[in-house]
Amino acid sequence: GENVEQHPSTLSVQEGDSAVIKCTYSDSASNYFPWYKQELGKRPQLIIDIRSNVGEKKDQRIAVTLNKTAKHFSLHITETQPEDSAVYFCAASKGASAGYALNFGKGTSLLVTP
Amino acid sequence: NAGVTQTPKFQVLKTGQSMTLQCAQDMNHNSMYWYRQDPGMGLRLIYYSASEGTTDKGEVPNGYNVSRLNKREFSLRLESAAPSQTSVYFCASDKPPGQGDYGYTFGSGTRLTVV
Repeated sequence: GENVEQHPSTLSVQEGDSAVIKCTYSDSASNYFPWYKQELGKRPQLIIDIRSNVGEKKDQRIAVTLNKTAKHFSLHITETQPEDSAVYFCAASKGASAGYALNFGKGTSLLVTP
Repeated sequence: NAGVTQTPKFQVLKTGQSMTLQCAQDMNHNSMYWYRQDPGMGLRLIYYSASEGTTDKGEVPNGYNVSRLNKREFSLRLESAAPSQTSVYFCASDKPPGQGDYGYTFGSGTRLTVV
C-alpha cells in the first residue's frame, strides 16, 4: 500500500519565521495531497490541498508544493504566529481506485514561540 | 447541520468485552472512513466504505468489523477488545472531487481505553 513519510517529527520556530514540513509518498498512482492541522484534543481539519496536475498552491500564509517526479510535497507556512502551533499531517490518496481513502504521515508537531 | 457525529466520546472497556462505535453524517456523503490515532503513529485507516453497501479493509483492520448501515451511518465494532486497541478513533466522511468542497470532515473522536 501507499507509504507516506513526513519530516521533521517536531519543529520549533520563532514567531514571524517560516516553517517547512516535507512529505514523500511511494505510490506513483497517488493524485491528491491534502494537509491537515490538529490542535490539541481536537479533530484534524483540512488547511490546504493540491492535486497531481498542479505544482504549487497558495492560500494566504500557507503554500503547498508538489514534485511528482520525486514523489514529494511540502507545506510552507510564512510569518508564523503562536496560533499556528499544532500537529500537521500530510496525506496522499489514489482517488476512486482506493475509495478516496487517505494515507497519512505520522505528523509534525509545530511550536511557534513568541 | 451537525456534520459527522460520533458516539460515545469516551469509553473504558475490560479486555474481552465488545462494543460498537457509532458514526453518522448528514452531508449526503458517499464515502466514510474509520481511523485510529496513536501517539507518534499518525492516523491509520482501519476500514472504509466508498459507497452504501460496500466496505473495504484499510491498513489495520485486524480485530475490527464494520457495517455501513445506510448512507448516513457507518459503525465500527470491536468483538473482543484488547489493550492494543486503546486509541482515539475518528470517523470521517467525504465526497468525491468535482462535487464542491473536497476534503474529509472528521467526527470529534472516541477515546477508548481497554484495561
